[in-house]
Amino acid sequence: EPEVTQTPSHQVTQMGQEVILRCVPISNHLYFYWYRQILGQKVEFLVSFYNNEISEKSEIFDDQFSVERPDGSNFTLKIRSTKLEDSAMYFCASSARTGIYEQYFGPGTRLTVT
Amino acid sequence: TQLLEQSPQFLSIQEGENLTVYCNSSSVFSSLQWYRQEPGEGPVLLVTVVTGGEVKKLKRLTFQFGDARKDSSLHITAAQPGDTGLYLCAGALNNNAGNMLTFGGGTRLMVKP
Repeated sequence: EPEVTQTPSHQVTQMGQEVILRCVPISNHLYFYWYRQILGQKVEFLVSFYNNEISEKSEIFDDQFSVERPDGSNFTLKIRSTKLEDSAMYFCASSARTGIYEQYFGPGTRLTVT
Repeated sequence: TQLLEQSPQFLSIQEGENLTVYCNSSSVFSSLQWYRQEPGEGPVLLVTVVTGGEVKKLKRLTFQFGDARKDSSLHITAAQPGDTGLYLCAGALNNNAGNMLTFGGGTRLMVKP
């Protein structure tokens, strides 16, 4: 069964460093998303992406964040200058272009900022 | 800010018991998803409900979408230890695949043998 994959599974970085989290969405899906989940808290929406541009973004997704689909398979989230509070699980999700809103999530990348 | 409130937050029951988890909001959702999440993993989609009053069954799990599309419930019959996990509801405000999901805080279920 097709699934969303994410790499790395765990990333440790120092405050102020740039990180890139990578995702390979389900191959025939056209809509892509990033969410995060701080330990013990709700899953929070960051950004949605379609047709090579951002469709919607939350207040969390400030100028330090960017997304890109560099080729036909990868979808990346970049954090330019990480802060301690960026430590969280980051989930990529994708959905097909249907009228029913179903998103399929990857296993996540645990980002630890020290 | 759209909120989805889940209740209860924690539930510990014996194998064989029935249980219901609730997801409530003041907002109207175009669709609502139920996910299950294991520790350290991503949410796994269980079901999507779209129509007010809709009922969907997945083996021993029954999902219902409220008539006004503001609330939903998950009922598990004869719970088994394998049902242990975190159950999340998530709603979409618009029937547009580009829209975000708003997640509830989750119900952590433990089923004891």
